[in-house]
Amino acid sequence: AQTVTQSQPEMSVQEAETVTLSCTYDTSENNYYLFWYKQPPSRQMILVIRQEAYKQQNATENRFSVNFQKAAKSFSLKISDSQLGDTAMYFCAFIHRDDKIIFGKGTRLHILP
Amino acid sequence: DTGVSQDPRHKITKRGQNVTFRCDPISEHNRLYWYRQTLGQGPEFLTYFQNEAQLEKSRLLSDRFSAERPKGSFSTLEIQRTEQGDSAMYLCASSLVGGTHPNGYTFGSGTRLTVV
Repeated sequence: AQTVTQSQPEMSVQEAETVTLSCTYDTSENNYYLFWYKQPPSRQMILVIRQEAYKQQNATENRFSVNFQKAAKSFSLKISDSQLGDTAMYFCAFIHRDDKIIFGKGTRLHILP
Repeated sequence: DTGVSQDPRHKITKRGQNVTFRCDPISEHNRLYWYRQTLGQGPEFLTYFQNEAQLEKSRLLSDRFSAERPKGSFSTLEIQRTEQGDSAMYLCASSLVGGTHPNGYTFGSGTRLTVV
């Protein structure tokens, strides 16, 4: 069974700093997709970034980038120049082909002014 | 396209009552998912549909829970004889599945259920 582990329940950083959120996963599959979702206090989940496992190049979306280490089954999220609006729960998630998404338990991120 | 809509946003019910939630996905999306999220936890999968067919149900979905998507558009999730442990946020999401390139899900804002 696929599992997703986020080992940091909560983190705090100062505004404008860089922060990295960790995620590891377990699967026996070779083709899959990984996601980071953001859930602000308003509770609607928003897709932040996506990575296809067959692509070696790490995905980037503006201030958000990932470090995807397939052999280590690691998928960390780096937020550069953090902003107050980045305060939210962040969920790492995994999907194999067209199956359902499996989420980690989340990391609560606080950006401090 | 107004995204995924869920109704109601909040529901307070007495233990033992039945409740029904509705989800309207993005119109062209053929997949619809239900998740449950308790405070401080990640969403847990409940069930999903492709068009009108219910393809999988989690073991979390006891006999008191039933979901339908009668015409492959909106979906309803009903909980019968609610228990306090059913208190949670119920999230609906939809996606367009085709080929091998999922784009992730689009989530609704959820329905917060409180059983008193």
